Amino acid sequence: EAQVTQNPRYLITVTGKKLTVTCSQNMNHEYMSWYRQDPGLGLRQIYYSMNVEVTDKGDVPEGYKVSRKEKRNFPLILESPSPNQTSLYFCASSLGGARSPLHFGNGTRLTVT
Amino acid sequence: GQNIDQPTEMTATEGAIVQINCTYQTSGFNGLFWYQQHAGEAPTFLSYNVLDGLEEKGRFSSFLSRSKGYSYLLLKELQMKDSASYLCALNTGGFKTIFGAGTRLFVKA
Repeated sequence: EAQVTQNPRYLITVTGKKLTVTCSQNMNHEYMSWYRQDPGLGLRQIYYSMNVEVTDKGDVPEGYKVSRKEKRNFPLILESPSPNQTSLYFCASSLGGARSPLHFGNGTRLTVT
Repeated sequence: GQNIDQPTEMTATEGAIVQINCTYQTSGFNGLFWYQQHAGEAPTFLSYNVLDGLEEKGRFSSFLSRSKGYSYLLLKELQMKDSASYLCALNTGGFKTIFGAGTRLFVKA
């Protein structure tokens, strides 16, 4: 089954404790991206990747890191999480281009206390 | 800058037709997408428009007017399961996609 898999689904952590949210897709998509979703603000892009070893900042990259060492994986790293990073996070992938829709993972609800 | 505006909430009756509007201000984009998102779930793709005009997919249709900076999603024969948020999104090129805040649709019996 074609899918984007994120883990974990729920995560509660404390300020400053490094964490990684994993994302993997099995559709051989070149493009992958991370979004955060907050009430009233919609989905905001954090980082995206056009291909292996090619990444770029989205609209809200501060406090986040990403890497794309393999085509299928695109982990999101929070080196020192803070409470303002409490949010619902989605990983997405697509073939890229004007006609290619995004395929989303099931989301990771992160709470930083 | 780039901005996408959608109504926050709408309510409609089962069996009816509802139109969800999306207006945007952007210097250019490649395509406009609509996604459906049920509470607590991931967004799922509904339709896209690259050229002006109407695109129809079953009960769902989407319209785009680039000159007016306007799109709408039309849902016909509403069902209770259509209660969800509907997200308007622009592919702005360079692999960037920006989203509106979404419209929460409540379908009542």
